[in-house]
Amino acid sequence: DAGVIQSPRHEVTEMGQEVTLRCKPISGHDYLFWYRQTMMRGLELLIYFNNNVPIDDSGMPEDRFSAKMPNASFSTLKIQPSEPRDSAVYFCASSPDPRTGTEAFFGQGTRLTVV
Amino acid sequence: AQSVSQHNHHVILSEAASLELGCNYSYGGTVNLFWYVQYPGQHLQLLLKYFSGDPLVKGIKGFEAEFIKSKFSFNLRKPSVQWSDTAEYFCAVSPGNTGKLIFGQGTTLQVKP
Repeated sequence: DAGVIQSPRHEVTEMGQEVTLRCKPISGHDYLFWYRQTMMRGLELLIYFNNNVPIDDSGMPEDRFSAKMPNASFSTLKIQPSEPRDSAVYFCASSPDPRTGTEAFFGQGTRLTVV
Repeated sequence: AQSVSQHNHHVILSEAASLELGCNYSYGGTVNLFWYVQYPGQHLQLLLKYFSGDPLVKGIKGFEAEFIKSKFSFNLRKPSVQWSDTAEYFCAVSPGNTGKLIFGQGTTLQVKP
């Protein structure tokens, strides 16, 4: 398996534009997580899915952020409209099941810069 | 709310020094515990994990961690660090039966040759 695949690796956009980040989890993993990493706040959990269903989105900063998982092999994180303070590295991770002690596997991340 | 706290934000050591990074969590029930490492420019990778059994867990590259339930702690240790251990280290907790995975803020370790 190629691991968790995220695209794009880098995104530079202007304030006010819509940004869509994509993630392909490892096949067979039932859990998918979206994290945001910044110097100030570390690694924040934004939302996670179990079997394509959002379980906890309490970490999504505001209504400008939305995430979907239309099927087991694809998820998106959308920011509309984007703002400079959204600049960060966004990671997607997948896991068979953290409840059984299996770890999460991370993608390479998307570095987002909003100017 | 469930949270993970890493006490040291930035640690600087000389090669061969011993390392201990603190991690505490706030959750009263059963937990699964993890330590991840992020080398410069790379994604997070698993160092070690605790699910059940022996509270002293050994991981890759000579790292180990001890789960002390009474202290809600899962501290990471290494007897002798190397320059190649320079990285950011994250403690993570999966509380109870949620499947949720929460990370601490991370500790940046700089090892001087």
